[in-house]
Amino acid sequence: SQKIEQNSEALNIQEGKTATLTCNYTNYSPAYLQWYRQDPGRGPVFLLLIRENEKEKRKERLKVTFDTTLKQSLFHITASQPADSATYLCALENYGGSQGNLIFGKGTKLSVKP
Amino acid sequence: DGGITQSPKYLFRKEGQNVTLSCEQNLNHDAMYWYRQDPGQGLRLIYYSQIVNDFQKGDIAEGYSVSREKKESFPLTVTSAQKNPTAFYLCASSIVVGRTGELFFGEGSRLTVL
Repeated sequence: SQKIEQNSEALNIQEGKTATLTCNYTNYSPAYLQWYRQDPGRGPVFLLLIRENEKEKRKERLKVTFDTTLKQSLFHITASQPADSATYLCALENYGGSQGNLIFGKGTKLSVKP
Repeated sequence: DGGITQSPKYLFRKEGQNVTLSCEQNLNHDAMYWYRQDPGQGLRLIYYSQIVNDFQKGDIAEGYSVSREKKESFPLTVTSAQKNPTAFYLCASSIVVGRTGELFFGEGSRLTVL
């Protein structure tokens, strides 16, 4: 079955630095991968989607890469701010599960210190 | 504003009771989903529905039931058969169950079994 792993449970960085979060997966190669932000006690919010034929996607201070050879996606937040502190989830299409289902990673909790 | 509304936000239940969580959306989305989130775990799919009067089991459907009588509504019943119901429940919707559908989430319902 498909497995998805996010590199660490928590990441602490200083304001202004670039945060880099990692999402690794095994088995088949998904057609796309998504990233979500989740604040404590709230529902996740969609941030970015990257397709298998795209190497990189940008949205303001966010950048996502997708390496289908390494089976890895990197999520970068440049010029990080304390307001970026949240848990970030990656998700990919799960062929092994229910049709059309996304499989989610456990998330990485990012803390940006002023 | 369009969105997904979940209620109640907090719910307490005694063992042996069934409880129903409400989910309403005004996004005109065809697909709706219920996820369960536990500390340290990724989101796990309970049920999803692609169209009215049709729904499919997700990966952890045992002890839960749903209905989809209207496009806007997808209530989840947590039955007494669910052995460990204490969790954070998230409802989501997407335009279609498909390969690129981003999910729009509600704010969640936290169920605690006393």
